[in-house]
Amino acid sequence: GAVVSQHPSWVICKSGTSVKIECRSLDFQATTMFWYRQFPKQSLMLMATSNEGSKATYEQGVEKDKFLINHASLTLSTLTVTSAHPEDSSFYICSAGTGVNEQYFGPGTRLTVT
Amino acid sequence: AQSVTQLDSQVPVFEEAPVELRCNYSSSVSVYLFWYVQYPNQGLQLLLKYLSGSTLVKGINGFEAEFNKSQTSFHLRKPSVHISDTAEYFCAVSDPGSSASKIIFGSGTRLSIRP
Repeated sequence: GAVVSQHPSWVICKSGTSVKIECRSLDFQATTMFWYRQFPKQSLMLMATSNEGSKATYEQGVEKDKFLINHASLTLSTLTVTSAHPEDSSFYICSAGTGVNEQYFGPGTRLTVT
Repeated sequence: AQSVTQLDSQVPVFEEAPVELRCNYSSSVSVYLFWYVQYPNQGLQLLLKYLSGSTLVKGINGFEAEFNKSQTSFHLRKPSVHISDTAEYFCAVSDPGSSASKIIFGSGTRLSIRP
């Protein structure tokens, strides 16, 4: 149980285009979902926290207009990288929480912007 | 604010040797502590967690960690490593009083196993 999927697992896009990444909790309902980005050989940096039906809370330094997060249901959250640029290339990982301090991580999405 | 320090960015170990990955945390309140493992190009897998109770926590794949409040440490240990343990290991902390379940990660330790 407690499986989280991400789609796509790998995406290449051209600079200036937008990319949407989906995060789904497959066998449980997630009260909260988190989005992280990870640069090569670095740690995970929390980008934002989202609760179903409400606006996401972004961490300091994360542009909310560039990284749009939608949490429309208890099993789906999406991250849209708008007007992507090469510096947005990264590994994006989502996690889903069922309660206090229980998070299950997705397999990640590697975004490459050319 | 909470923070986590992983003192070693890389730890090379021979196969079947013991290993300890060090983690220290900084927090003025009680904490929950975690160790996660990340294999190349994959997400994170929970190895073990400390929420309360016994300070010695046993996890998957033969790993264990000990919570030491006085030294604010949560070091990860395994008595005998295998090639398959080669991965990145992250120590993490969260605040029990937070309803947001936000987890703060350390910088990671790359464990490389030599045959």
